[in-house]
Formats: sequence, C-alpha cells, structure tokens
Amino acid sequence: DQQVKQNSPSLSVQEGRISILNCDYTNSMFDYFLWYKKYPAEGPTFLISISSIKDKNEDGRFTVFLNKSAKHLSLHIVPSQPGDSAVYFCAAKRGYGGATNKLIFGTGTLLAVQP
Amino acid sequence: GAVVSQHPSRVICKSGTSVKIECRSLDFQATTMFWYRQFPKKSLMLMATSNEGSKATYEQGVEKDKFLINHASLTLSTLTVTSAHPEDSSFYICSAAGTFSSGANVLTFGAGSRLTVL
Repeated sequence: DQQVKQNSPSLSVQEGRISILNCDYTNSMFDYFLWYKKYPAEGPTFLISISSIKDKNEDGRFTVFLNKSAKHLSLHIVPSQPGDSAVYFCAAKRGYGGATNKLIFGTGTLLAVQP
Repeated sequence: GAVVSQHPSRVICKSGTSVKIECRSLDFQATTMFWYRQFPKKSLMLMATSNEGSKATYEQGVEKDKFLINHASLTLSTLTVTSAHPEDSSFYICSAAGTFSSGANVLTFGAGSRLTVL
C-alpha cells in the first residue's frame, strides 16, 4: 500500500525554467510533508517542508504547495539549475514537530535539468 | 552539525554470511534511528524504527530475525543482515532523529551502504 505516490518517474527541464514535481498521498492523517533530494549512492538531504495547516512554504528557489482537499503537494524550483539534477522524494509523517515520527517516502522523481 | 556516519559504504559478501552495518550520530544524541532499504529505481522503504535501549519496531513484511537491529546507545545503531542471500542485495540507509544540545530537533540521513551478496 503506497501511501505517498509520485506518478512521474522522471522530468526533464531546461536550465532557467521552472521544475514542478508532484506528489499525492492517501492518508488524511498526515500532518507534515517534506521534500528530499538524493544523489546516487548517497543519503537523502532535506530541502523544504510544510505542515498541513499551511498551503505554501517558500525557501529561496524552492516553494512547496499543499492542497489538502486534493491530497496533493508540489515542489516548484525556479529557476532550475543543472545542479538541481537529482532524484526528488516527497515524504509524509504524522505529528507536528519532533523528528522521531517515521517518514513515509514516495517513489521518487528523477529531475534532469538540461544546460 | 547533524552528521550521521554510516559504515561501510560498500560491502560484498558471500551468500550465507552475515553483514553488519553501523549508523552513528556524530554530534547529537539520536533517540530514534530508522533503517530504510532502497531497491533500484524504487522508493525508500522503511524497514524498522529503533529507539535507544528498546527493541526495534519492524514494518509489516520485514523479517526481524533476518534483519537484526540494535540501538544500544544514543549514538549508535546497527543493522545485521543474517545469512545473506543475493536477494538481500540492496542499498540500505539509516536516519537518526534526536535533539541538539540547544534543544533543536534534528533528522539526518546517513550516506547509505551498498550491499552485494554473491
């Protein structure tokens, strides 16, 4: 039972344009959503997060949007840079704050930013 | 800050042997550690959650006798793959959750361990 899904396994965009990565979830009990970036043979690194009481969070080039009614979130990267090329995972957890609640990961989207 | 060291990064072993992977939090106390497994081009699958000093909680479908997890201290958790088979070959990643001395929460991933069973 995949509670967090990323339906696009890959995405290719031109440098300078916007990258939009999508994520859907099924469990309405999730309280917190996170995006991670992962390079091959490395662990994920945290990018940005959003709590379920908000609909937008912005950090530099990265913005996450949450649509609770649709159980959908998206990560926008603008402008996209070649160094952004990596696999992006969305993740969800129950419980606000704290770091000890387990994360459920999506299936990942491979982003390729073309120079 | 928030550094998690995972060792070894790569290990090759023969079928039937056991392999131990270590996960250490270097600059904070990790009350909880998570172990994930990633199959090629697949998601990170949570295997188990371990709290310092207590038994690990395994996710459904994960054999606890196969994947032994120990979290004996606030800075170290180990995953032992017992009697390894080729189908155990995978990328294993740990993450450590806890608090800095400042009180700030932290969750950081290790760099992962590539296990190949021949």
